[in-house]
Amino acid sequence: GAGVSQTPSNKVTEKGKYVELRCDPISGHTALYWYRQSLGQGPEFLIYFQGTGAADDSGLPNDRFFAVRPEGSVSTLKIQRTERGDSAVYLCASSPGLAGGYNEQFFGPGTRLTVL
Amino acid sequence: RKEVEQDPGPFNVPEGATVAFNCTYSNSASQSFFWYRQDCRKEPKLLMSVYSSGNEDGRFTAQLNRASQYISLLIRDSKLSDSATYLCVVNDDYKLSFGAGTTVTVRA
Repeated sequence: GAGVSQTPSNKVTEKGKYVELRCDPISGHTALYWYRQSLGQGPEFLIYFQGTGAADDSGLPNDRFFAVRPEGSVSTLKIQRTERGDSAVYLCASSPGLAGGYNEQFFGPGTRLTVL
Repeated sequence: RKEVEQDPGPFNVPEGATVAFNCTYSNSASQSFFWYRQDCRKEPKLLMSVYSSGNEDGRFTAQLNRASQYISLLIRDSKLSDSATYLCVVNDDYKLSFGAGTTVTVRA
């Protein structure tokens, strides 16, 4: 079946611009996560959705970052007034969201964001 | 202090060799542990879970030492296709904390 998809695969923008990154999770997965991976580092947690609501947004670095999942499926990560330090690969993952025990998180291919 | 720390390597080994590396984690209350594999410019993929008793999956053996808070991965009979970055991952409820990765290169 189809895995997690993310668009665009690459995004180049200028400092100060606004960007939107999209994630399509695996069909039926209720849990969705955003991570950010900088060069030479492991992914860092940004935000977790269970259904439509953001259950944990503690990883968002500041108020320029915002994410939505209005219908409990597709999610959009929005970054305002981009800065060069925002350049990274933004990874989306989804999992079945079943209660009890670990639900494997399946990652999408990521969006490589470059802020010039 | 980072939550998960790994030796970055790189480990350069010949085909057929055994390679092993560790990571340490800081949260003694962490319950679930994993190794993910990440190929260059690709997404991370789950390699295997790590259980307290130690577990094997083919040529891969993972160990967890809760008292010392470290996790290990051993790869036997290395193949060229094992070349990748191996990410040590700690799961706290739903949130995954990743190490920076250990790079392994297997040469012919």
